[in-house]
Amino acid sequence: GQQLNQSPQSMFIQEGEDVSMNCTSSSIFNTWLWYKQDPGEGPVLLIALYKAGELTSNGRLTAQFGITRKDSFLNISASIPSDVGIYFCAGQLLATGANNLFFGTGTRLTVIP
Amino acid sequence: EAQVTQNPRYLITVTGKKLTVTCSQNMNHEYMSWYRQDPGLGLRQIYYSMNVEVTDKGDVPEGYKVSRKEKRNFPLILESPSPNQTSLYFCASAHGSLGEQYFGPGTRLTVT
Repeated sequence: GQQLNQSPQSMFIQEGEDVSMNCTSSSIFNTWLWYKQDPGEGPVLLIALYKAGELTSNGRLTAQFGITRKDSFLNISASIPSDVGIYFCAGQLLATGANNLFFGTGTRLTVIP
Repeated sequence: EAQVTQNPRYLITVTGKKLTVTCSQNMNHEYMSWYRQDPGLGLRQIYYSMNVEVTDKGDVPEGYKVSRKEKRNFPLILESPSPNQTSLYFCASAHGSLGEQYFGPGTRLTVT
């Protein structure tokens, strides 16, 4: 399968700080998505990106689709305790035409009140 | 409420005893998929289905079977489970070919 490199693997931050994480791939993707997984739950879609260069916000979350189509980043501003969880990037390959998503290994976020 | 449901949520079984994990969605989605999640490996796709009676292999299909006889259901079948299939399993669905997949709550399977 495709390899998505997600970094950092884990982060410990103080409440109120901003967070940035990113995902890179050796393949070109036509879609990038960001999911959050709470303990004991399935991943929940946060943001979907469909065009190179696209910058999209969802509340305190902002994500960008890299111009090369091989990377994406997610920023969280003014973090709060409920932001704790694992964040996954996912990419859909340009060539397949099917809905195959490839996931990064996740960034585990801890917010210290 | 729009949702993907999975049953059971937790299952402990023994090697070789056939089992089925059910998945159902009420969003009339064409696309459904199964993933397994293992520490350090993220989510890996097992099988997916673009529509009724249309299924295909994902990244890690060995040891699994699926069927899609109805649009809303996509069961995952382990004919002869082995300990290396101990994992957390997620079902997901999506409308058409969009990348926006919606996940079920997960099934934690332990094979001894």
